[in-house]
Amino acid sequence: DAGVIQSPRHEVTEMGQEVTLRCKPISGHNSLFWYRQTMMRGLELLIYFNNNVPIDDSGMPEDRFSAKMPNASFSTLKIQPSEPRDSAVYFCASSLKGTGTGELFFGEGSRLTVL
Amino acid sequence: QQQVKQSPQSLIVQKGGIPIINCAYENTAFDYFPWYQQFPGKGPALLIAIRPDVSEKKEGRFTISFNKSAKQFSLHIMDSQPGDSATYFCAASKGTYKYIFGTGTRLKVLA
Repeated sequence: DAGVIQSPRHEVTEMGQEVTLRCKPISGHNSLFWYRQTMMRGLELLIYFNNNVPIDDSGMPEDRFSAKMPNASFSTLKIQPSEPRDSAVYFCASSLKGTGTGELFFGEGSRLTVL
Repeated sequence: QQQVKQSPQSLIVQKGGIPIINCAYENTAFDYFPWYQQFPGKGPALLIAIRPDVSEKKEGRFTISFNKSAKQFSLHIMDSQPGDSATYFCAASKGTYKYIFGTGTRLKVLA
């Protein structure tokens, strides 16, 4: 079975450019999460969608970050304009809410480097 | 109160040793405590999880010990193998969506 699919796996861009990260969750999962991982701050939840609706975006660092989930099989995280401090690994994860365990299934991540 | 404090930051053990990773939390409303394992270049994956109504859970060589009164829980890896070398994250949540992750422990098991 296909897991969570993220693209691109690596992105190198220059400060000020727009970055779009993409995620395809596991089919049938109704919850989707975007996390950011850095050495300094570990794993941080950026935003949580349930049934394609943003439920909690309190982790989105600032207005430069935005996320959408137009349908159950696709989500994007956009950074515009990007800054060097945005350099991190961005993970998308999905889960099936209501199972009781809430196990998160992570993608392999998108490593972003902003020069 | 939302933090989960994890220690040590890194750990090196010999093959066959029993590495122990500790986590502490403050929010008594947390009701689910999973451990995630992450290999280089991969996303974290659920390893084992526990709820506060039990004090210990074993799955294969992995054991979680839970001390509700002390608000602490730990991961023990029995008969550790080089293939267990990875970064381990503890986490806590209230309900099943907003996980608070620890800062991670980088484990290296020497052959």
